[in-house]
Amino acid sequence: GQQVMQIPQYQHVQEGEDFTTYCNSSTTLSNIQWYKQRPGGHPVFLIQLVKSGEVKKQKRLTFQFGEAKKNSSLHITATQTTDVGTYFCAGVSGTDKLIFGTGTRLQVFP
Amino acid sequence: DAGVIQSPRHEVTEMGQEVTLRCKPISGHDYLFWYRQTMMRGLELLIYFNNNVPIDDSGMPEDRFSAKMPNASFSTLKIQPSEPRDSAVYFCASRVASGELFFGEGSRLTVL
Repeated sequence: GQQVMQIPQYQHVQEGEDFTTYCNSSTTLSNIQWYKQRPGGHPVFLIQLVKSGEVKKQKRLTFQFGEAKKNSSLHITATQTTDVGTYFCAGVSGTDKLIFGTGTRLQVFP
Repeated sequence: DAGVIQSPRHEVTEMGQEVTLRCKPISGHDYLFWYRQTMMRGLELLIYFNNNVPIDDSGMPEDRFSAKMPNASFSTLKIQPSEPRDSAVYFCASRVASGELFFGEGSRLTVL
């Protein structure tokens, strides 16, 4: 079945450093969504990418969808302690089924 | 809107007991998803419904798990009998077609 992997599994950074998480799907995706889950909370939607090669920005966050629509990345510039949490990509292929990636847990030290 | 509402928030039960988790999706959302989250396995899709009809239940672990959606505003996930390995946080989420998922706060289940 469809699998969505993310790397790295964990990332510890000093506040102010950049952070990137990568998402790879075993199948071509129709679109991809990104979510953030704070410790003890529930996943919260960040953004959706639909087009091949699409790049979107939200303040310090930059999201990219690969040309082949099988991979995606999230880059955070100058991390802050408020960025702490687990970042998930969620891929949709064919049907409306969202399969979540394995997640990247970000820890930011002040 | 109050968002997706799940109950109970926490459940502690003994092995062999029946567990029922409940979810009220956001009004107007025609898709409802049940996910299970554990440290080992991450966020697993168990089942999803479209217009109250189960579309894909391939993620349901085994026959001990069942889910229903009798109407557009209510869904249940039942585990009978429960086992310690079922301990997890169970999330319900809803959305409109091609839209973002709105998650409930989750139901944390502990089976002793």
